[in-house]
Amino acid sequence: DAGVIQSPRHEVTEMGQEVTLRCKPISGHDYLFWYRQTMMRGLELLIYFNNNVPIDDSGMPEDRFSAKMPNASFSTLKIQPSEPRDSAVYFCASSFRAGGYTGELFFGEGSRLTVL
Amino acid sequence: EDQVTQSPEALRLQEGESSSLNCSYTVSGLRGLFWYRQDPGKGPEFLFTLYSAGEEKEKERLKATLTKKESFLHITAPKPEDSATYLCAVQGGSEKLVFGKGMKLTVNP
Repeated sequence: DAGVIQSPRHEVTEMGQEVTLRCKPISGHDYLFWYRQTMMRGLELLIYFNNNVPIDDSGMPEDRFSAKMPNASFSTLKIQPSEPRDSAVYFCASSFRAGGYTGELFFGEGSRLTVL
Repeated sequence: EDQVTQSPEALRLQEGESSSLNCSYTVSGLRGLFWYRQDPGKGPEFLFTLYSAGEEKEKERLKATLTKKESFLHITAPKPEDSATYLCAVQGGSEKLVFGKGMKLTVNP
């Protein structure tokens, strides 16, 4: 299996621009998570889906952030408009039954976003 | 609210010098405590799950233990390839994992 695939790996944009991050989870996994990682705050959960349905989006910072999962093999995280404080590494992770009780999330390699 | 605190934030060891990493947590109804390893430029990689106080798990030079308030990751005779950031996470009443900020381990040859 190819693992969780994220694109782009690196994105540099200017403040006010729209940013779209993409994720392909591992086939057969029914949970998908979006995390954001910064030095100051560590790994923060933004939103997670179960069977393509958003379950908890309480970690989404504000209305500028939105996430969709149109099917079991694709998810997007969109920021519009982007701001410099959004600069971070965004990770997508997938699991089966949230790892059941194992908590084994499979992470992608991340998308490093820099907003100038 | 579930919380995880890891200490120290960074640790530098000589090859062969054993040590322990600490993870303190507060959670409502612990379903599991998890350790992950993260290499630079990569996503976290799962290491262990611990479900109840007194449980221990081992993998090569790593051993994880759990009490009701904290977990320890013991590193025995570390090698330079053990250098990484080690993350602790807890799962409470929902499906989401709450992570600590991590502990950067450097093992010098």
